[in-house]
Amino acid sequence: TQLLEQSPQFLSIQEGENLTVYCNSSSVFSSLQWYRQEPGEGPVLLVTVVTGGEVKKLKRLTFQFGDARKDSSLHITAAQPGDTGLYLCAGAENYGQNFVFGPGTRLSVLP
Amino acid sequence: NAGVTQTPKFRVLKTGQSMTLLCAQDMNHEYMYWYRQDPGMGLRLIHYSVGEGTTAKGEVPDGYNVSRLKKQNFLLGLESAAPSQTSVYFCASKRGELSGYTFGSGTRLTVV
Repeated sequence: TQLLEQSPQFLSIQEGENLTVYCNSSSVFSSLQWYRQEPGEGPVLLVTVVTGGEVKKLKRLTFQFGDARKDSSLHITAAQPGDTGLYLCAGAENYGQNFVFGPGTRLSVLP
Repeated sequence: NAGVTQTPKFRVLKTGQSMTLLCAQDMNHEYMYWYRQDPGMGLRLIHYSVGEGTTAKGEVPDGYNVSRLKKQNFLLGLESAAPSQTSVYFCASKRGELSGYTFGSGTRLTVV
């Protein structure tokens, strides 16, 4: 069973700062997804990456999939209070297999 | 387009009581899932379904049962609630294997 680790567990920054959060595993993923969850709501999909080395951008968010497909990072440029939330990564070892979720990074962006 | 709807949103049960959590999706998705979310442990898969009339066990299925009699509905039952089942429960659906999950807004269950 794959185990996903996310770091840091908690992160509190000021508005305008840049940050990077990480998702790591000893397993190779066929695909990996990132979600953001706000209090009292379910997670919302941000991106899916499937190719080693792949980089995807979503406005101020940049997602990178490691070359070996064992890790991923999420970089936020000029963070805003609206970025506050729990960021979850989810990976699947084999195509068609259910995704396993990491424990998340809780981000707080202070105005 | 409502997406995934869960009912109820909150519930308090006494140990030993039973209840059913309801999940409905209006996106014609084949796959449906029930997760529980506990602090520091992420989302853990309880049961899932790959189509109408099918169900399968996930990572933490003990103490739960599910049914998917109609494609749009996925029911999660607790036969005899225990305090260890205190959690936030999320239902999710997705169109295909590489698709993203669409989650409901959750049911917060407390067992006393």
